[in-house]
Amino acid sequence: DAKTTQPPSMDCAEGRAANLPCNHSTISGNEYVYWYRQIHSQGPQYIIHGLKNNETNEMASLIITEDRKSSTLILPHATLRDTAVYYCIVRVADNAGNMLTFGGGTRLMVKP
Amino acid sequence: GAVVSQHPSWVICKSGTSVKIECRSLDFQATTMFWYRQFPKQSLMLMATSNEGSKATYEQGVEKDKFLINHASLTLSTLTVTSAHPEDSSFYICSARDPNGGGNQPQHFGDGTRLSIL
Repeated sequence: DAKTTQPPSMDCAEGRAANLPCNHSTISGNEYVYWYRQIHSQGPQYIIHGLKNNETNEMASLIITEDRKSSTLILPHATLRDTAVYYCIVRVADNAGNMLTFGGGTRLMVKP
Repeated sequence: GAVVSQHPSWVICKSGTSVKIECRSLDFQATTMFWYRQFPKQSLMLMATSNEGSKATYEQGVEKDKFLINHASLTLSTLTVTSAHPEDSSFYICSARDPNGGGNQPQHFGDGTRLSIL
């Protein structure tokens, strides 16, 4: 799996957009970008994933650069409850069961 | 959507006892489940892959005789920490993926079990 690089921490003001970057310069053509977050003392929560097109769901938007070497997770209106560690993971999709390799993630602190 | 349930959420027990943690997929069948461990201020580390009807696959450095995994049905995997000691205190998390919908479907995680060994 391609390695990802994320800033260790970020701050965001409540109500503002939180833009979390992820670098995955060695990504292969068949690897997806997945985003998860982990709120303190809980299991990771799936947010969104994509291959090459930008994606949006009720939680967030995922912007993937044209060369696919980086992506940005956007929380459009961050709330205090969005304070968590956000993990960007790159993984090949397969039907054999795809375990995830977690890096350090980005600790997002949403401040009032 | 896909839901994974984990039980118990918190366990405190004496050193030397065995503790069983259950992981259930509530609305889908999972032939494969994963068990992770997370120490304070660290990221999740994969311990083992649980395979329905066959032996689990353990990551390097994880003792298979200490962390017994049983995946007896398509919706249930159990992790038993045998003869637990204080160094086994950690946050244990399971995950599974709904195989329906294609190979890019995401993993879904349980809420974790915090194990404290006194």
